Amino acid sequence: DVKVTQSSRYLVKRTGEKVFLECVQDMDHENMFWYRQDPGLGLRLIYFSYDVKMKEKGDIPEGYSVSREKKERFSLILESASTNQTSMYLCASSFVGPPYEQYFGPGTRLTVT
Amino acid sequence: AQTVTQSQPEMSVQEAETVTLSCTYDTSESDYYLFWYKQPPSRQMILVIRQEAYKQQNATENRFSVNFQKAAKSFSLKISDSQLGDAAMYFCAYRSAETSGSRLTFGEGTQLTVNP
Repeated sequence: DVKVTQSSRYLVKRTGEKVFLECVQDMDHENMFWYRQDPGLGLRLIYFSYDVKMKEKGDIPEGYSVSREKKERFSLILESASTNQTSMYLCASSFVGPPYEQYFGPGTRLTVT
Repeated sequence: AQTVTQSQPEMSVQEAETVTLSCTYDTSESDYYLFWYKQPPSRQMILVIRQEAYKQQNATENRFSVNFQKAAKSFSLKISDSQLGDAAMYFCAYRSAETSGSRLTFGEGTQLTVNP
């Protein structure tokens, strides 16, 4: 079975802190994704990576950065957390070709106070 | 840019009954994939069903089936013989097969409640 794991299920941080969210997949997928999930807005893509050290901005990259030093690991970084970044963060991975199914991690619920 | 719309924020169904969740999308492309994902409470999002746009036949997976209307840009999910375990948030998603990049575009989600 494909497994995508995220470093924390719940995280509470203070405004201005630097926050690291880590994601690891064990299926040798080329692509990895970070989404933000908010009620009524669905999933919005923050960043994705199609190879080691490669990244592309998604729809809402402001306030976030990412790092992919190894194929299996994709990190999301909040340089200076703000209260409007309180949300559920989902990581996903997939192969580069069809059928394009993405496999999701359990999510990290981040609260910034 | 493609958009996906789920017009039903919440739906409910009686156990053993049938329910249909709606999804519409907007695209100028002819080749794409459509997905329904399920997110149970406090559990991981999983794929329910997939449809390739070039296939005319509607996809089915056990109690789950889709009604894919390409001209109308509609992709509804039918759940037959609903079970308590079907209670979840359901997301419709679109993925282009014509452009490079691997992003999915998601709808807003539909919260399904199954009543015993």
